[in-house]
Amino acid sequence: EVVLTQSPATLSLSPGERATLSCRASQSVSSYLAWYQQKPGQAPRLLIYDASNRATGIPARFSGSGSGTDFTLTISSLEPEDFAVYYCQQRYNWPPITFGQGTRLDIK
Amino acid sequence: EVQVLDSGGGLVQPGGSLRLSCAASGFTFSSYIMSWVRQAPGKGLEWVSAIGGSGDNIFYADSVKGRFTISRDNSKNTLYLQMNSLRVEDTAVYYCAKGQGGTNNWFDSWGQGTLVTVSS
Repeated sequence: EVVLTQSPATLSLSPGERATLSCRASQSVSSYLAWYQQKPGQAPRLLIYDASNRATGIPARFSGSGSGTDFTLTISSLEPEDFAVYYCQQRYNWPPITFGQGTRLDIK
Repeated sequence: EVQVLDSGGGLVQPGGSLRLSCAASGFTFSSYIMSWVRQAPGKGLEWVSAIGGSGDNIFYADSVKGRFTISRDNSKNTLYLQMNSLRVEDTAVYYCAKGQGGTNNWFDSWGQGTLVTVSS
């Protein structure tokens, strides 16, 4: 099973700042990695797939990079609506499909 | 507009059974892999099960294998999850999720979630 480890667990930033979230895989997942955003009481929303492709309707301030075992989600300039929990997910070696434990992005 | 609407959650005793449903619309249901993903209270996301478009390829997480059964009725555009021998640790919000395309397991549409509580 591929274990995904996200860091940091919590990130406290202010609107307008740049956010960098990390996801590390226990073995190579090539570029088969996605990022999701989840707000309280809501279902997750797909942001990035195949490591660097933005999903439909996702603003350009969200970008993804990486391959193999190390991946990054960058939010270039935080908007108030971006404060949420972010999860990475792999589908390279499945079943099982696995998710990281999440990074909470808080307003500072 | 793509929509998936999950339902069927509730309170059940340990050892009991429950069947979840997910009604899909706005896309050619039989062409997409569908999954169930759950989230225990205050915890992260856990993939539970997936089923191919025609219903022939089926996969489970080890935590539910032998207890849960995923199925679909393409004539009704509906996905199901039959949950038997429920345990306290199965308590979670269950989401149905649509794959992005073909055998692609990026989840691009999610239901609103249905809460399953296993408690005596």
